[in-house]
Amino acid sequence: VQLVQSGAEVKKPGASVKVSCKASGYTFTTYYIHFVRQAPGQGLEWLGIVIPSDGSTNYPQKFQGRVTLTRDTSTSTVYMELSSLRSDDTAVYYCARELRGGYWDYWGQGTLVTVSS
Amino acid sequence: QTVVTQEPSLTVSPGGTVTLTCASSTGAVTSGFYPSWFQQKPGQPPRTMIYLTSRKHSWTPARFSGSLLGGKAALTLSGVQPEDEADYYCLLSVGGAWVFGGGTKLAVL
Repeated sequence: VQLVQSGAEVKKPGASVKVSCKASGYTFTTYYIHFVRQAPGQGLEWLGIVIPSDGSTNYPQKFQGRVTLTRDTSTSTVYMELSSLRSDDTAVYYCARELRGGYWDYWGQGTLVTVSS
Repeated sequence: QTVVTQEPSLTVSPGGTVTLTCASSTGAVTSGFYPSWFQQKPGQPPRTMIYLTSRKHSWTPARFSGSLLGGKAALTLSGVQPEDEADYYCLLSVGGAWVFGGGTKLAVL
């Protein structure tokens, strides 16, 4: 099982960023994919979940309207787009896998997103 | 907004036992919160150590155990090793959303 994320990004305030998470080694539609972020020196923060089998999503209220998770079943890839970037969005963004019902296991290696003018 | 609370820091001696806890502002934590525990070392992604309160992965050392204790989720390390020094985060499912605790920095001294 592997979750391989795209490379580091540098963006200006107000722009958008799109991070990918490519899954391999298992049946893509069997597991949910979450995105989690970690600002420098801070804790983990949940950004949302996508269910690859049907594309349905759920986001915490804080990020509704700013985070969009999509999936491409032909390439077993999940995308996380974050819009209207601010400096406090600077963080490492991770994807992680969950089998329905709280069975969390594998994580991606993380993608550093830096927001700076 | 649900707040999940962990001890900010704990210190344990090598070979000792330590328990980390995870409380929810909504009330007692039960198995229905699907408690999970993650270990994170500097510069690395989190690693899932415990899920569904007490279940272990193949990579989880036997000295790690999860439970419910006094209305909280708990992670106990018995026979602590130097390599257990890390940040530990709990995660709870609350009303369809997932909420992380603030993390516990565990020092092994």
